[in-house]
Amino acid sequence: DAGVIQSPRHEVTEMGQEVTLRCKPISGHDYLFWYRQTMMRGLELLIYFNNNVPIDDSGMPEDRFSAKMPNASFSTLKIQPSEPRDSAVYFCASSFLRGGFDTQYFGPGTRLTVL
Amino acid sequence: AQTVTQSQPEMSVQEAETVTLSCTYDTSESDYYLFWYKQPPSRQMILVIRQEAYKQQNATENRFSVNFQKAAKSFSLKISDSQLGDAAMYFCAYRNNAGNMLTFGGGTRLMVKP
Repeated sequence: DAGVIQSPRHEVTEMGQEVTLRCKPISGHDYLFWYRQTMMRGLELLIYFNNNVPIDDSGMPEDRFSAKMPNASFSTLKIQPSEPRDSAVYFCASSFLRGGFDTQYFGPGTRLTVL
Repeated sequence: AQTVTQSQPEMSVQEAETVTLSCTYDTSESDYYLFWYKQPPSRQMILVIRQEAYKQQNATENRFSVNFQKAAKSFSLKISDSQLGDAAMYFCAYRNNAGNMLTFGGGTRLMVKP
């Protein structure tokens, strides 16, 4: 399997611009997670989906952030408008619940820099 | 809310030696899961090992093993015969039985000296 695929790997943009991060989960996985990693806050969960439905978005920092999962093989995280404090590494992870237990497999991450 | 604490920001080990990374967590749950993830400079988060809380036997994966002390809420990672490729950030993570969300510790940076 190709693993979780994220694009782009690096994104540099200017404050106020719209940013879209993309994720393709592992085929057959029914959970998808978006995380953000910063030096100050470490790794924090933003939102997760089950069977394409958002389950918990309590980690989304504010209304500027939105996430969608239109089908089982694709998800986006959008920031509009972007701000310098959004600079971070954004990870997508997917998992498959089996016997009440799952293991999350992470993508390579997208390093976002907002100038 | 659950919290995960890694008290060692940095650790260093000589190649071929053994090192232990510490992790403690706080929970009121009796059934949960614990993980160690490795993050090398490539930033990829790689699963190292996992432990189900209901299992008394400590998990082992080749050179990696854990010391799971449920009463003490401790979950340490032992790396035997350390290799240069083990140099990375290591994150301890907790998942309760009811949900799928992972709570991560702050990480430990492991350096391996040749």
